[in-house]
Amino acid sequence: DTEVTQTPKHLVMGMTNKKSLKCEQHMGHRAMYWYKQKAKKPPELMFVYSYEKLSINESVPSRFSPECPNSSLLNLHLHALQPEDSALYLCASSHSADPYEQYFGPGTRLTVT
Amino acid sequence: GQQVMQIPQYQHVQEGEDFTTYCNSSTTLSNIQWYKQRPGGHPVFLIQLVKSGEVKKQKRLTFQFGEAKKNSSLHITATQTTDVGTYFCAPEETSGTYKYIFGTGTRLKVLA
Repeated sequence: DTEVTQTPKHLVMGMTNKKSLKCEQHMGHRAMYWYKQKAKKPPELMFVYSYEKLSINESVPSRFSPECPNSSLLNLHLHALQPEDSALYLCASSHSADPYEQYFGPGTRLTVT
Repeated sequence: GQQVMQIPQYQHVQEGEDFTTYCNSSTTLSNIQWYKQRPGGHPVFLIQLVKSGEVKKQKRLTFQFGEAKKNSSLHITATQTTDVGTYFCAPEETSGTYKYIFGTGTRLKVLA
């Protein structure tokens, strides 16, 4: 199984809502990533978890809160988002040793109204 | 921070023509990955380069890592319509950190 799954596929939320994005992989990968991608732009790294511990936070606003409950799951909790946070949110996973080939999920298309 | 520029930004080619995208960094890279993203899709891993001057081939795709490890290129021979998409380089900022900075990307269109 070389698949990374993400739910939901699409999400529309108001600025006062609280929602969560979910990501799952069963490849035994111990590194998991969240990226944000705006239209016609490259993916921007947000967070990296290594062995369920947060190892990188790219100065992401606190309205985004990541969580890694176990080695297969990665969540991104959203609260009080702004319209400019509308984007495609991509989850990826990789082995924790070379090669660090990243497997991406299909993404969650988020719209903040 | 590290900046990773790719040129060209866009490229339209006739099917059968060759295509090259270049990735340039302001700093020396430990390694670099290449990804392809089809329209409406997600990035898909193509290759990882680690050694100075390394050249790797995958069928019609040739990947090269510069001698100074500050640049890389992807060359596609005899493009096909299935090659359509955006090609990103993604160097790892420092080896072993998992911090990959995606380049600006080159969007390829292939005209049949």
